[in-house]
Amino acid sequence: DVKVTQSSRYLVKRTGEKVFLECVQDMDHENMFWYRQDPGLGLRLIYFSYDVKMKEKGDIPEGYSVSREKKERFSLILESASTNQTSMYLCASWGAPGNQPQHFGDGTRLSIL
Amino acid sequence: AQSVTQLGSHVSVSEGALVLLRCNYSSSVPPYLFWYVQYPNQGLQLLLKYTTGATLVKGINGFEAEFKKSETSFHLTKPSAHMSDAAEYFCAVSLRAQKLVFGQGTRLTINP
Repeated sequence: DVKVTQSSRYLVKRTGEKVFLECVQDMDHENMFWYRQDPGLGLRLIYFSYDVKMKEKGDIPEGYSVSREKKERFSLILESASTNQTSMYLCASWGAPGNQPQHFGDGTRLSIL
Repeated sequence: AQSVTQLGSHVSVSEGALVLLRCNYSSSVPPYLFWYVQYPNQGLQLLLKYTTGATLVKGINGFEAEFKKSETSFHLTKPSAHMSDAAEYFCAVSLRAQKLVFGQGTRLTINP
């Protein structure tokens, strides 16, 4: 089974801090994704990456950046955290885009105070 | 552009009753369709998927969904609800591209 591991389940940070969310997958998937999940809004794509050192903006990239130095690891960075970035963050990996499912981590619930 | 609409942000049924969660999509070409389930404090888990072939798709935990091209729908059903089915359910569409587009989610509550 594919395993997608997010480094923290719960995280509390202060406004203005630089925040790193880490995600690791063990199935050699090319594609990795970061979503944020908010009540009533479903999952919204922040950034995705289809190869090492490659990244693409999703639907809501403002205030975020990403890093993919190794195939198995995809990091989400909040450059200067703000309270409106309090949310659940989900990482996913995808081996064969299209007819295969994405595999998700358990999520990081991030609170910005 | 693709989009997904889930009708009803909250659905409540009695234990043993039929579960019906609605999903409609917009797409100019035949899509790939997915249903995911999210239990409290967990990530998303695949329930079932439609790619090609048989339009009635069976998934885990007794769920199934039918792809109806003429109605652009992919509704999720289960004949008899169980307390353990209480969760949030997401419909998603992929156009053979590198992204999934998700619906807003439907929270299912099961009444004893």
